[in-house]
Amino acid sequence: EPEVTQTPSHQVTQMGQEVILRCVPISNHLYFYWYRQILGQKVEFLVSFYNNEISEKSEIFDDQFSVERPDGSNFTLKIRSTKLEDSAMYFCASSIGYSNQPQHFGDGTRLSIL
Amino acid sequence: AQRVTQPEKLLSVFKGAPVELKCNYSYSGSPELFWYVQYSRQRLQLLLRHISRESIKGFTADLNKGETSFHLKKPFAQEEDSAMYYCALTGTGGGADGLTFGKGTHLIIQP
Repeated sequence: EPEVTQTPSHQVTQMGQEVILRCVPISNHLYFYWYRQILGQKVEFLVSFYNNEISEKSEIFDDQFSVERPDGSNFTLKIRSTKLEDSAMYFCASSIGYSNQPQHFGDGTRLSIL
Repeated sequence: AQRVTQPEKLLSVFKGAPVELKCNYSYSGSPELFWYVQYSRQRLQLLLRHISRESIKGFTADLNKGETSFHLKKPFAQEEDSAMYYCALTGTGGGADGLTFGKGTHLIIQP
């Protein structure tokens, strides 16, 4: 069964540095998402992406964040200048459609900011 | 603002006992409701969605619009049901709305 894959599984970065988290969505899916989960808290929506542009974004997704689909397979989340509070588990998801279509999640990338 | 509330952080029941995981939501329209499950060391995966009205692994969930609830139920719990369960909703506004998750309930099935 096809899966969403995320790399790396764990990223350790110094505060202020840029970080890029990578995701390969399921190949025939059209909608892509990023979520984060700070330790002990709920999973929070960051952004959705469709047709090469952002579809929706949450209040969390400020100017420090950006997303890109640089080629036909990868979907990336960039944090320009990381802060301590960016430490979290970041999940990528994809779906074939929106609304009632299920989203398929990757294993996540644990981002640790020192 | 949309919100999902799962009042129980932890629920422990014995094998063979009935299970009910509570979920209440707040949304100013007609949401799509889902239950996601995360087994130990595995990824988040969809368990069921209200629109399909199906039973997966013996679990069912009925959307009650009057009570704004979407509780997850199983009549006889099994040890392999131990996992984190997340209730989630999304809008039907036409865009690729993200899911709004509850905080999750850790279900432990004791032998």
